[in-house]
Formats: sequence, structure tokens, C-alpha cells
Amino acid sequence: GAGVSQSPRYKVAKRGQDVALRCDPISGHVSLFWYQQALGQGPEFLTYFQNEAQLDKSGLPSDRFFAERPEGSVSTLKIQRTQQEDSAVYLCASSLEVYEQYFGPGTRLTVT
Amino acid sequence: GDSVTQMEGPVTLSEEAFLTINCTYTATGYPSLFWYVQYPGEGLQLLLKATKADDKGSNKGFEATYRKETTSFHLEKGSVQVSDSAVYFCALNSSASKIIFGSGTRLSIRP
Repeated sequence: GAGVSQSPRYKVAKRGQDVALRCDPISGHVSLFWYQQALGQGPEFLTYFQNEAQLDKSGLPSDRFFAERPEGSVSTLKIQRTQQEDSAVYLCASSLEVYEQYFGPGTRLTVT
Repeated sequence: GDSVTQMEGPVTLSEEAFLTINCTYTATGYPSLFWYVQYPGEGLQLLLKATKADDKGSNKGFEATYRKETTSFHLEKGSVQVSDSAVYFCALNSSASKIIFGSGTRLSIRP
């Protein structure tokens, strides 16, 4: 079956622009996660949804970062007024149980 | 807070060599432990896992044993192949919401 998909795969934004990154989880997966992966580093947790409820947003680095999952399926991660330090790969994962997270290919964001 | 430390790369080996990638962790409670792999151009994939002390996770010839006494989860493979070239991440999960990853170890296998 289809895995987790993310779009766009690559995004270049000028500093100060807003961006929106989309995640389509595996059908039926209740839990959805966003991670940020800086170059040469491991992924770092940003936020977690169970259905449409955002249960943990402790990893969001600033109030410029906002995530939603209004119907409990597709999720969008929005970054307002992008800064150069936001350049990273943004990974989405979904799961039926929290120990088996399936990752998407990621969106590589470059802020110039 | 919880954390994972893994050996820095890159690691370069010849085909059929023995592989060990060291991983140690710090966590409160009893985390589940994982190895994820990221092949070139692909997304993160779960390679193996262990959910309690003394469990051994295994997959594709790779093994790792959950050692509570040494807080370690070292990855091993007896005979590596060129196709094993990838970045390997050790990780743990001690709460319902997040996985904590190490910084990754890049492995390159020479034919």
C-alpha cells in the first residue's frame, strides 16, 4: 500500500516568507508526528497528533511554527516569517502504535 | 532529559567485514530502543527494535541487544555488503509521543 507522502519534496523560500508543508499519512493511522532534521544530525521531534488533537507540541522551536490536522488525516506544518536557521529536512511519520512510526521522504526546506 | 549517543562516522569497511556501531542511551524508566536506517535518496526505515531488557532485535542480518546494565544497544552485522551503505540512527522511545534519535553514523562499504 501507499506509504507516507510529503509535498513539496523541495522548497526554497526567501527569508521572511511563509511556507506550508503537507503530509499525507498512511490511511487509517491515528498518530502523526513531525520532526526536523538539520544537516548531518538526527531528526528532532516537533509535534504529535492523535487524530485531530495536537497532544504534544513541545518541540516546536518558536511561535512561528504551527501545525494542524483538522480532519485527523492530512497534516500541514506552517512556518511563518522563515529564517535561515529553519533550513532543514522536515519529516512526517504516522503510526497505528507509537513504537512503529513510518516515515515519509521529507521536505527539504532551504531559506535564502 | 533522555538522550542517545552513537559513534561518529563515517565508518568505511570492506565487503564481508564485521560491523559494530556503538550506541548508548540515557533515559528515565524503561525505553524501547530502535535502529533506523536511511538509504541514499530514501526515507527513514525501521531496521530493528527491542522493547525490554535482554531483548535482541534482528533484521536483514543485523542484530542489537538491549543491555540495561550498560545502557547500550550496539548494532552488529557479521558480514556487510555494499548494499548496506547508508546512515544508521540509534533511537529510543520512552513516552507516548516522541522518538529521540542519535546523530547518525554514515556507513560506506567498499566492494
